[in-house]
Amino acid sequence: AQKITQTQPGMFVQEKEAVTLDCTYDTSDQSYGLFWYKQPSSGEMIFLIYQGSYDEQNATEGRYSLNFQKARKSANLVISASQLGDSAMYFCAMRAGGTSYGKLTFGQGTILTVHP
Amino acid sequence: DSGVTQTPKHLITATGQRVTLRCSPRSGDLSVYWYQQSLDQGLQFLIQYYNGEERAKGNILERFSAQQFPDLHSELNLSSLELGDSALYFCASSVEGAGQETQYFGPGTRLLVL
Repeated sequence: AQKITQTQPGMFVQEKEAVTLDCTYDTSDQSYGLFWYKQPSSGEMIFLIYQGSYDEQNATEGRYSLNFQKARKSANLVISASQLGDSAMYFCAMRAGGTSYGKLTFGQGTILTVHP
Repeated sequence: DSGVTQTPKHLITATGQRVTLRCSPRSGDLSVYWYQQSLDQGLQFLIQYYNGEERAKGNILERFSAQQFPDLHSELNLSSLELGDSALYFCASSVEGAGQETQYFGPGTRLLVL
């Protein structure tokens, strides 16, 4: 079974500063993917970034980067130069191989608040 | 805009009723997924379809059923509704439904059962 743990229920950051949102995962599969989604107060789920288990480089997408530490089973999201519009709920998710096919397993989420 | 559409956006109904949620995947995507987001359970995978066939099943109640039609749109049917079924229901889509494809989510249908 797969499990995602996000231990930070809420995080606060000053505008223009960087922030790291933690995510640890558990799976026995060798092939898996890790995803981060953003959910603003309006409710939609916005894909941010993806990291494959065999990717040697950490993924980056604009101001988002993923600090992937395979041995520690962690996939932390780093947001650089925070903006007020980054205030939202952030979910870490995993998709593993085997018979689970497309199922995404989500963590409980972290609410990020960006202060001016 | 992810390209995934869901209707209706909001739905208010009474216990015991039946509702149908509709989803149209992104153009070219063959796989559709349904998720439920509630305060107590978080985001949970319900079911996946690929090109009209059921591919994977999650924590979907027997009162719930889904299908994917030849035009690839999908419907999630919820029957004998209970208060606890109140939640945000998401549809997501991806190209093949396998490997490590990104799933793109629709805006969701917010269901309130009174």
